[in-house]
Amino acid sequence: DAGITQSPRHKVTETGTPVTLRCHQTENHRYMYWYRQDPGHGLRLIHYSYGVKDTDKGEVSDGYSVSRSKTEDFLLTLESATSSQTSVYFCAIGSSGEGGSEQFFGPGTRLTVL
Amino acid sequence: GENVEQHPSTLSVQEGDSAVIKCTYSDSASNYFPWYKQELGKGPQLIIDIRSNVGEKKDQRIAVTLNKTAKHFSLHITETQPEDSAVYFCAASSPRRGTGGGNKLTFGTGTQLKVEL
Repeated sequence: DAGITQSPRHKVTETGTPVTLRCHQTENHRYMYWYRQDPGHGLRLIHYSYGVKDTDKGEVSDGYSVSRSKTEDFLLTLESATSSQTSVYFCAIGSSGEGGSEQFFGPGTRLTVL
Repeated sequence: GENVEQHPSTLSVQEGDSAVIKCTYSDSASNYFPWYKQELGKGPQLIIDIRSNVGEKKDQRIAVTLNKTAKHFSLHITETQPEDSAVYFCAASSPRRGTGGGNKLTFGTGTQLKVEL
């Protein structure tokens, strides 16, 4: 998985609780991304980071926040989890700022919100 | 924004046959088209990609073709094997407009390929 780890790999939580997912890379790539994967929707971008402390929203960012205090770590936080956020979450990394750079994915975190 | 459509959603072939998955995109600014293979319980794995200045690219048993005029691209797998069974995703990438650069990937909804013995 191209030097990408995600933790936890599985989590079950209750509606209204905060949840933080962690992505860690050893590739020193500039760009990091958080996606969610749901049946019938493919992968959809939640947030991405283009450097330490530099982040931007994706297409499904409502209810999520991110932080990147170090090059190697990108955190995704659900401030108050809802059942609609039950999904599989993937982190990805990329090295180029130009259109057309490869993105490599981590193993995923399966989150269930009861 | 970009919209990517992928067909078929499921595909069953006999071992040794060829498989073709097709995608269309809407944003003429898209310039990079990767294909990912996802096995059960794993993250998507990049298997091949093509850039807009190229019409075809091959890597052993897999190939990708791109028709920019028609805005469609396809994945071709020849001599399919049981280990090719997986979900395949196409994506289209356009440069992000604004601070930071990077590229935005828009994914198709996936094709479940089953290679039968």
